[in-house]
Amino acid sequence: GDSVTQTEGLVTLTEGLPVMLNCTYQTIYSNPFLFWYVQHLNESPRLLLKSFTDNKRTEHQGFHATLHKSSSSFHLQKSSAQLSDSALYYCALNNYAQGLTFGLGTRVSVFP
Amino acid sequence: NSKVIQTPRYLVKGQGQKAKMRCIPEKGHPVVFWYQQNKNNEFKFLINFQNQEVLQQIDMTEKRFSAECPSNSPCSLEIQSSEAGDSALYLCASSYRVDTQYFGPGTRLLVL
Repeated sequence: GDSVTQTEGLVTLTEGLPVMLNCTYQTIYSNPFLFWYVQHLNESPRLLLKSFTDNKRTEHQGFHATLHKSSSSFHLQKSSAQLSDSALYYCALNNYAQGLTFGLGTRVSVFP
Repeated sequence: NSKVIQTPRYLVKGQGQKAKMRCIPEKGHPVVFWYQQNKNNEFKFLINFQNQEVLQQIDMTEKRFSAECPSNSPCSLEIQSSEAGDSALYLCASSYRVDTQYFGPGTRLLVL
């Protein structure tokens, strides 16, 4: 079946520094949809980014990611972290209205 | 912002009791998903519907869990005989076919 791997369980950094969260995936389908969801404390997941186009950068709210099918990756980046970015970040994979396959999540803690 | 409605927000049940939660998908979204997010923040897909028809469900759902999406009524997820291990956040999401899944606020179930 499908799988998503997020290598970092916890990322701690100082406000203003760049952040990168890794996401790789495995699927037999050639055209998967990849997503980044963010979940703040006591809230439900909220869509941050999505892509299904190979090698096209997608951006939202200062975050960006590029789907690379050659390496099965969809890493999330931001050039300057803010305190409000502290949250859980999930990479997820979807194939044609099936249930999302989530990674285990990366907790980001940004300190002043 | 998601317009998926979930009720109740909190549910407390004793072991062996039934637990029922409801979801109204975003208007125009024919596909509804149920997920379980456990205390370790891991997601598990349970079941999804397109209109009133089940598309996919995992084995666990077939045993103690039942779900339906009747026409002109909220979708529902019911646990027939709650167990302590069912304590989790139950998330409903809806989507327009293969597009993004938007999550409701969730129902947090505590089984004592």
